[in-house]
Amino acid sequence: DIQMTQSPSSLSASVGDRVTITCRASQDISNFLAWYQQRPGKVPKLLILAASTLQSGVPSRFSGSGSGTDFTLTISSLQPEDVATYYCQKYNDAPALAFGGGTKVEIK
Amino acid sequence: EVQLVESGGGLIQPGGSLRLSCAASGFTFSSYSMNWVRQAPGKGLEWVSFINPTNSALYADSVKGRFTISRDNAKNSLYLQMNSLRDEDTAVYYCARSAPIPGVVPEYWGQGTLVTVSS
Repeated sequence: DIQMTQSPSSLSASVGDRVTITCRASQDISNFLAWYQQRPGKVPKLLILAASTLQSGVPSRFSGSGSGTDFTLTISSLQPEDVATYYCQKYNDAPALAFGGGTKVEIK
Repeated sequence: EVQLVESGGGLIQPGGSLRLSCAASGFTFSSYSMNWVRQAPGKGLEWVSFINPTNSALYADSVKGRFTISRDNAKNSLYLQMNSLRDEDTAVYYCARSAPIPGVVPEYWGQGTLVTVSS
């Protein structure tokens, strides 16, 4: 099965900082990657599809990039409401769907 | 507005059975694939099962043979029959509608229902 590895597992940054989260697949998944945001105590929210397609209503400070095995989620200017855990998810093949382990983002 | 409301969670002993339900509204339920995704307390997300509009189903290896997903399009409802429950099945179970794209991507999520497996 293809494994998804996120890094770092947690980070602390200041408001306005640029934040980058990495997701690595153990095999080529083309661009079949999604990113989710889960704020504390809330339901996961789909942010990005196809590695870089922002979902409707998602602020433009969020962006995704990558293809193959290496992907990144970038928050260009961290805001207090971005405190959350972020998950990547590969969807190139089922039933072996896989989420990454998550990256917890906090404000310094 | 897409709404998904789960029910049926609770405390159950190991080896027991439980049936979760998800009531859907705000979209044409029969046209969409649906998923169950779970999250153990303090842990990450784990996809559990998927069903498409023609009732083809997929399961994670961890639940295969124990869980059965089904849907009733006339009732706009999704179900998860969980048998032979184990301690490690303890989690919040989310019902999620798939995005209308190739591949399985949970797009809209319900609030979840907590299943606790414990003696």
